[in-house]
Amino acid sequence: DTGVSQNPRHKITKRGQNVTFRCDPISEHNRLYWYRQTLGQGPEFLTYFQNEAQLEKSRLLSDRFSAERPKGSFSTLEIQRTEQGDSAMYLCASSDYRGYNSPLHFGNGTRLTVT
Amino acid sequence: GQQLNQSPQSMFIQEGEDVSMNCTSSSIFNTWLWYKQDPGEGPVLLIALYKAGELTSNGRLTAQFGITRKDSFLNISASIPSDVGIYFCAGLKETSGSRLTFGEGTQLTVNP
Repeated sequence: DTGVSQNPRHKITKRGQNVTFRCDPISEHNRLYWYRQTLGQGPEFLTYFQNEAQLEKSRLLSDRFSAERPKGSFSTLEIQRTEQGDSAMYLCASSDYRGYNSPLHFGNGTRLTVT
Repeated sequence: GQQLNQSPQSMFIQEGEDVSMNCTSSSIFNTWLWYKQDPGEGPVLLIALYKAGELTSNGRLTAQFGITRKDSFLNISASIPSDVGIYFCAGLKETSGSRLTFGEGTQLTVNP
């Protein structure tokens, strides 16, 4: 059973650089979500896709953030001109959506450190 | 910002003890979920609750969906060292699509 896969697991970058993360959802899961988690907090919603369509974006997702899911399978999250406040764990989740309460299955995240 | 208040923030217990933690909200949620997160990993779904009053078990874990739909409880019986981790409650509203709202977590430490 292949779960949600995220790469890289860790990323250290200097302020001002661009970074891109990848998420491979569970096969045939039609919904894919991005969450951000800072130390000592629960995950916070960023955005989600239904197949290739981005259906909702949180106000947390500033203009420097962009997410894509071009073929309705894997997704990428790009952060441009990183800031120290972007340091966090970025979690991807997927679900086999059959209703609003379909359970989300999370990957192990990408931990970003901006120096 | 987050809307779920989770308590306690941390617990230190002896192996074999039972554990209770809860999650409350000022607004109604239609689904409650409980996740466990180990260091360096993503949250893993433990239990999902879909109806007010529902009581669901998963091994030594039992969770309840509060009657008011504004709270949920998680109990762990006969704790073991591998229960160590952070437990998160999460709520879903029918009107919020698939956006999960998480609590701040309960850090559980089990002393052998």
